[in-house]
Amino acid sequence: SQQGEEDPQALSIQEGENATMNCSYKTSINNLQWYRQNSGRGLVHLILIRSNEREKHSGRLRVTLDTSKKSSSLLITASRAADTASYFCATDYYNNNDMRFGAGTRLTVKP
Amino acid sequence: DGGITQSPKYLFRKEGQNVTLSCEQNLNHDAMYWYRQDPGQGLRLIYYSQIVNDFQKGDIAEGYSVSREKKESFPLTVTSAQKNPTAFYLCASSIDPNQPQHFGDGTRLSIL
Repeated sequence: SQQGEEDPQALSIQEGENATMNCSYKTSINNLQWYRQNSGRGLVHLILIRSNEREKHSGRLRVTLDTSKKSSSLLITASRAADTASYFCATDYYNNNDMRFGAGTRLTVKP
Repeated sequence: DGGITQSPKYLFRKEGQNVTLSCEQNLNHDAMYWYRQDPGQGLRLIYYSQIVNDFQKGDIAEGYSVSREKKESFPLTVTSAQKNPTAFYLCASSIDPNQPQHFGDGTRLSIL
């Protein structure tokens, strides 16, 4: 069963705009990760945020985590056409040694 | 250059045939994983291994088998018992289960 669920399923924006994707999960977690997948390729890790952290930044990426709401968001600022990809959240949870991925958000950035 | 390599990139299976997908990593990672991805979907865990000679079933292990005889290698066999094998298969590895996973570029399996 999948642990994380992303919202929206698809997002289309213009270059230069910000893109926000959300992830909700069901049980307590150790950490939450965001990955990116270009069409037909493997996933690439973007950011890991631990359950005791509330916000992390990496370049144009900002991730927040609200454990009380069991949700996370990924913000991509000043988007570029090259950001076009699918974005997945993945969660592990206590007493488990594997991760579960959501169905992803397909982001299209129009030049 | 360290990384994770999957082969072949494309694979075709005939009815009743077993096929094996290769996954090799030179990252010295202990944990390795196999996922299945269907069009427009997320990843579903087939099998994972935390250490050599040990592996556990994921959510959709039926019709698949794995081995972990070497740290670097985690081959996946899609058996004839898997009635709907057409999918994109992704292999990943990590230092340990709580760390980021590194992915290969996948094998696309189709039925002839």
